[in-house]
Amino acid sequence: GAVVSQHPSWVICKSGTSVKIECRSLDFQATTMFWYRQFPKQSLMLMATSNEGSKATYEQGVEKDKFLINHASLTLSTLTVTSAHPEDSSFYICSAETGLAGEAYNEQFFGPGTRLTVL
Amino acid sequence: QKEVEQDPGPLSVPEGAIVSLNCTYSNSAFQYFMWYRQYSRKGPELLMYTYSSGNKEDGRFTAQVDKSSKYISLFIRDSQPSDSATYLCAMSISNFGNEKLTFGTGTRLTIIP
Repeated sequence: GAVVSQHPSWVICKSGTSVKIECRSLDFQATTMFWYRQFPKQSLMLMATSNEGSKATYEQGVEKDKFLINHASLTLSTLTVTSAHPEDSSFYICSAETGLAGEAYNEQFFGPGTRLTVL
Repeated sequence: QKEVEQDPGPLSVPEGAIVSLNCTYSNSAFQYFMWYRQYSRKGPELLMYTYSSGNKEDGRFTAQVDKSSKYISLFIRDSQPSDSATYLCAMSISNFGNEKLTFGTGTRLTIIP
């Protein structure tokens, strides 16, 4: 099956610093990638939809200037949490859509997630 | 009211038991229904997806959709300790790509050997 990787798997940073998280589709090209955030014992909440070569579409309530998304190629999207604060501590998960023509279901494949802790 | 409601559990059952996991939803526009399994500190993996009302079977797993009641279920037969995970239901309006998935909160399941 399709594989999506994330780097780093976990990161601890000081309040006020910026953190970049990478999401890569390893064996397929993904025109669309999604970024989710998951707090403990809560559901995955979509933050933004990222299309290669265009600006990301953010969900209501997500600050686009704080969570910068760059989808520079068909296999790489990055999420940068700028001026991180303790309330940004969460599990960030990306997914990539295969978008294969003729597929019965347009599946999203999820990365393993990045645990961010802001001190 | 949340668009998708799911009992968070936790749910503990003995090995070999039949497990029933359920979600209800309020948005009648949802047409695609998915079940994901998520192990601790890992990303979700797709178990099954269904489009129409009725049952869909895949090995020990059966997904059931009742659109009239806005209710979906996942049944696991002959449960194994390796089935211990959090199970998330998810839904979308279409499947034309670039589609937003709406998730339930997940049910944490433990299969006791």
